[in-house]
Amino acid sequence: AQSVAQPEDQVNVAEGNPLTVKCTYSVSGNPYLFWYVQYPNRGLQFLLKYITGDNLVKGSYGFEAEFNKSQTSFHLKKPSALVSDSALYFCAVRALIYNFNKFYFGSGTKLNVKP
Amino acid sequence: EAEVAQSPRYKITEKSQAVAFWCDPISGHATLYWYRQILGQGPELLVQFQDESVVDDSQLPKDRFSAERLKGVDSTLKIQPAELGDSAMYLCASSPDTLALPFFGPGTRLTVL
Repeated sequence: AQSVAQPEDQVNVAEGNPLTVKCTYSVSGNPYLFWYVQYPNRGLQFLLKYITGDNLVKGSYGFEAEFNKSQTSFHLKKPSALVSDSALYFCAVRALIYNFNKFYFGSGTKLNVKP
Repeated sequence: EAEVAQSPRYKITEKSQAVAFWCDPISGHATLYWYRQILGQGPELLVQFQDESVVDDSQLPKDRFSAERLKGVDSTLKIQPAELGDSAMYLCASSPDTLALPFFGPGTRLTVL
């Protein structure tokens, strides 16, 4: 079965400090992995994706994510957090099911960046 | 920049009433998705269209939910009758095809009293 796990409901970090939001996945076949961000009462916005190639993927707003096949993880990172990064972050995996691609989302991690 | 449009943005209704949500995908996007996001959870796919055809509605509660995309462009999701447990954010997304990244609309927040 395909699934995505985000083990932390909430991550707190001080502004200027590095941040990590964790994601692990389970998928048959090659994983296609994504991170989205959601601000209050808004839809999901795409941040970055891993399809193939370099394990370190760079995305929007200074975010990056590291794909680790052996640990089946795709953690989101940023070297220096901003207060404006405070939002809800979702990890997602795309899987081919009966010849159609389906996206599975994690339960989300609320990031709180304090001044 | 093209966006997915949804209306209404907010809907309050009483249980047993009927509600309908509308989605206009990005022009040219063949794939359209309806997701339900319960507070504190990730989006859950309700139904996926490829043009006007339903390709996945395995998680759609068909006794009360229906979805259509008659001309393969905009789409309507209906709930009849609404139940308290239907309170959630309903997100529409679209993509050029099933391989491409979905772009999400702002969502409709439904509250059932």
